[in-house]
Amino acid sequence: EVQLVESGGGLIQPGGSLRLSCVASGVTVSSNYMSWVRQAPGKGLEWVSVIYSGGSTYNADSVKGRFSISRDTSKNTLYLQMNRLRVEDTAVYYCARNYGDYEEWFDLWGQGTLVTVSS
Amino acid sequence: DIQMTQSPSSLSASVGDRVTISCRASQGINNYLAWYQQKPGKVPKLLIYAASTLQSGVPSRFSGSGSGADFTLTISNLQPEDVATYYCQNYNSAPTWTFGQGTKVEIK
Repeated sequence: EVQLVESGGGLIQPGGSLRLSCVASGVTVSSNYMSWVRQAPGKGLEWVSVIYSGGSTYNADSVKGRFSISRDTSKNTLYLQMNRLRVEDTAVYYCARNYGDYEEWFDLWGQGTLVTVSS
Repeated sequence: DIQMTQSPSSLSASVGDRVTISCRASQGINNYLAWYQQKPGKVPKLLIYAASTLQSGVPSRFSGSGSGADFTLTISNLQPEDVATYYCQNYNSAPTWTFGQGTKVEIK
């Protein structure tokens, strides 16, 4: 079965760090563009970060310098390292596969993991 | 940055109605637009890409149209299982991707 399973969310104080994981089954993380997309409670979707199959990474301006995306090929796992967390980073974080001729849209999503930043 | 604006923010319609949702980009994006459905408490699901191409397995009552800066998602013959929030997504500006703010569809 093709699936993405996130973990690592939880309650963290402002200024803290957290690492999210996304284990892939039936899809090879290193052969695809993979993204993190978040959704604040009751709000819309916001793209956060992407890692290309070649290894290049890009981040949204809202998390630039604080979040970094990476992958472990041997574990077929995607990561999101989140540092200097802010209250406004509170959200459900989804990992998603970019798909299309130029990896334009998101065709496969995990179930999400909730990150709550609060004192 | 390209901004995506959806209208209306919410709507209520009867079963069997034809529903249209608009998505407008702040500048032309060719047909580089996708639509997603997110049912309450669930994960977003891809419905349409390239503005009008239906993703495999999506019911044919869903359709997309438009090009340039103005796009439309149409649900013909609205069904109870279509209650959800719908999002458009621009992919003209990779490596950044932007979503509209969402349109909530309810049954009257």
